[in-house]
Amino acid sequence: GAVVSQHPSWVICKSGTSVKIECRSLDFQATTMFWYRQFPKQSLMLMATSNEGSKATYEQGVEKDKFLINHASLTLSTLTVTSAHPEDSSFYICSAYQGLAGETQYFGPGTRLLVL
Amino acid sequence: LAKTTQPISMDSYEGQEVNITCSHNNIATNDYITWYQQFPSQGPRFIIQGYKTKVTNEVASLFIPADRKSSTLSLPRVSLSDTAVYYCLVGAGTGFQKLVFGTGTRLLVSP
Repeated sequence: GAVVSQHPSWVICKSGTSVKIECRSLDFQATTMFWYRQFPKQSLMLMATSNEGSKATYEQGVEKDKFLINHASLTLSTLTVTSAHPEDSSFYICSAYQGLAGETQYFGPGTRLLVL
Repeated sequence: LAKTTQPISMDSYEGQEVNITCSHNNIATNDYITWYQQFPSQGPRFIIQGYKTKVTNEVASLFIPADRKSSTLSLPRVSLSDTAVYYCLVGAGTGFQKLVFGTGTRLLVSP
């Protein structure tokens, strides 16, 4: 099946610093990738839709200047949390569309971010 | 985007069959129904997807009635390792459409 990876798997940073999370589709090309955030005991919340070569589309309430998304190639999308604060601590998950019949989305393993 | 409703939690025992039903009354004609499984601190894992009638793979079956307003995920002979959260989603169609996760069903399998 299609494989999506994320790096790093976990990161601890100081408040005010920026953190970059990478999402890669390893064995397929994904013109569209999605970024989610999940707090403990809660469901996944869609943050933004990332299309290769164009600006990301953010969901209502998500600050685009704080969560910078870049989708420079068909296999890589990055999420940068700028000037991170403790309330940004969460589990960040990406997914990628394989684009085949049935429109299945494949998810990465997630990145745990802890901001001190 | 069609909204889904699932039971918040379910309990079962090893070896039993578990059926999780999802309601999606506003499903669109071109929507598919997809189920994901998520373990703590992991990304969701695709289980099964269908459009109508019945779909079966090596891990589960998906039953979809003719009106497609609901669907049932069937897990045969569950084991302790099936303890997870199960999400039912409807969406996608002709393009790369975003998916909206509901609350999911927290399944606890006991010995």
